[in-house]
Amino acid sequence: EPEVTQTPSHQVTQMGQEVILRCVPISNHLYFYWYRQILGQKVEFLVSFYNNEISEKSEIFDDQFSVERPDGSNFTLKIRSTKLEDSAMYFCASSGWRGRAGVFFGSGTQLSVL
Amino acid sequence: AQRVTQPEKLLSVFKGAPVELKCNYSYSGSPELFWYVQYSRQRLQLLLRHISRESIKGFTADLNKGETSFHLKKPFAQEEDSAMYYCALIQGAQKLVFGQGTRLTINP
Repeated sequence: EPEVTQTPSHQVTQMGQEVILRCVPISNHLYFYWYRQILGQKVEFLVSFYNNEISEKSEIFDDQFSVERPDGSNFTLKIRSTKLEDSAMYFCASSGWRGRAGVFFGSGTQLSVL
Repeated sequence: AQRVTQPEKLLSVFKGAPVELKCNYSYSGSPELFWYVQYSRQRLQLLLRHISRESIKGFTADLNKGETSFHLKKPFAQEEDSAMYYCALIQGAQKLVFGQGTRLTINP
């Protein structure tokens, strides 16, 4: 069964450093997403991406964040200058047409900002 | 605003007992609801979609528009059902809005 894959599984960085989280969505999916989950809190939507552009983003997704699909298979989330409060589990996800059949998640990258 | 509420953070039942995980939502329009499950240290997995009216791993969920609920049920709990369960709805075309989650523990 095809899966969304994410690398790395854990990332430790110093405050102020840039990080790139990587994802390979399911190959025939059209929509790509990033969600995050701060420890003890609910899973929160960050951004959705369709047809090579951002289709929706949340208030959390400020100028420090960016997404890219550099080569037709990878989907990346970049945090330019990490803050302590960026520490969270980041989930990549993908879906077919408009998410109605379900959104499928990767196993997450645990980001720790020190 | 669209919102999903799971009133129980923790739920503990004995093996073989019935399970009901509660989910209520607020949404203007016709909601599309899902249940996701997260076993220990694993990914969020899609468990059920209300549009398909399916039963997965013995779980069912019925959308009740009058009560704005989408409770997840299983008649006989098994130990392997212990996990975190999240109710979610689709907002707009794509965005999932999640509840806080319920940690289900099945006692032997």
